[in-house]
Amino acid sequence: GAVVSQHPSWVICKSGTSVKIECRSLDFQATTMFWYRQFPKQSLMLMATSNEGSKATYEQGVEKDKFLINHASLTLSTLTVTSAHPEDSSFYICSASPPRGGGYNQPQHFGDGTRLSIL
Amino acid sequence: EDKVVQSPLSLVVHEGDTVTLNCSYEVTNFRSLLWYKQEKKAPTFLFMLTSSGIEKKSGRLSSILDKKELFSILNITATQTGDSAIYLCAVEAYYGNNRLAFGKGNQVVVIP
Repeated sequence: GAVVSQHPSWVICKSGTSVKIECRSLDFQATTMFWYRQFPKQSLMLMATSNEGSKATYEQGVEKDKFLINHASLTLSTLTVTSAHPEDSSFYICSASPPRGGGYNQPQHFGDGTRLSIL
Repeated sequence: EDKVVQSPLSLVVHEGDTVTLNCSYEVTNFRSLLWYKQEKKAPTFLFMLTSSGIEKKSGRLSSILDKKELFSILNITATQTGDSAIYLCAVEAYYGNNRLAFGKGNQVVVIP
C-alpha cells in the first residue's frame, strides 16, 4: 500500500531555532502533499497545500513566512518552521495520495507525524 | 465553507459492545467521505465512500454513506480494547487536489 514517511518524529529545540520537517512518498509520486497541525484533543487543521514545482497554497490565518514549504521533487515536501516559539509547539502531520488509478480517486495517506516542542 | 460534524464526540463502552459513530457533512461538489483511525500517531485509513447505500466492511468495522441525507455511519462490532482511538471523518470535494476537511473526531474508549 501507499506509504508516506515523515521525519523527524520528535523535535525539542530552543526558542528562535528553525526546524525542518520532511515528508516523503515512498512508493508513489505525489504532485500534491498536505501539511496539517493538530493540537491536543483536537482534530487536524489544514495548514497548506504543497504543490510540486510551484508555490504552496496556505490556508487563511497561516503565516507563509513562518511556515515555509518547499516541494522540489515528486516525492519530497518540506515544512520549515522559522524562528520557532513555544506557541508553535504542536503535532505536525503531512499527507499525500497516490495518483488516480483506473479512474478511481485514491485516499490520502498520512506520515507518522512530528511532535515539535519549543522550549 | 465545508462542514463536517461528528457525534458523539466521546464515548466509553465495554469490550464486546457495538459502537455506532455518526458523521454529517455539508460540502459543495461532494466527491468522497473518508474514515480514519488515530491512535498515538497519525491517522490510518479505514474507508473511502463515494456512493450511497453501499456498505464497506473490514473485519468488525463497517461503514455506509447516505448522500441524500448527507451523513455516514461507522460501526464497530464486538469492540476490543485495541479499538480505543479517535475516529476521524473527512470529506473531499472536487477542488482538483484531494483537499480534505476533517470533523473533530469521535473519541472511543473501550474498557475491559
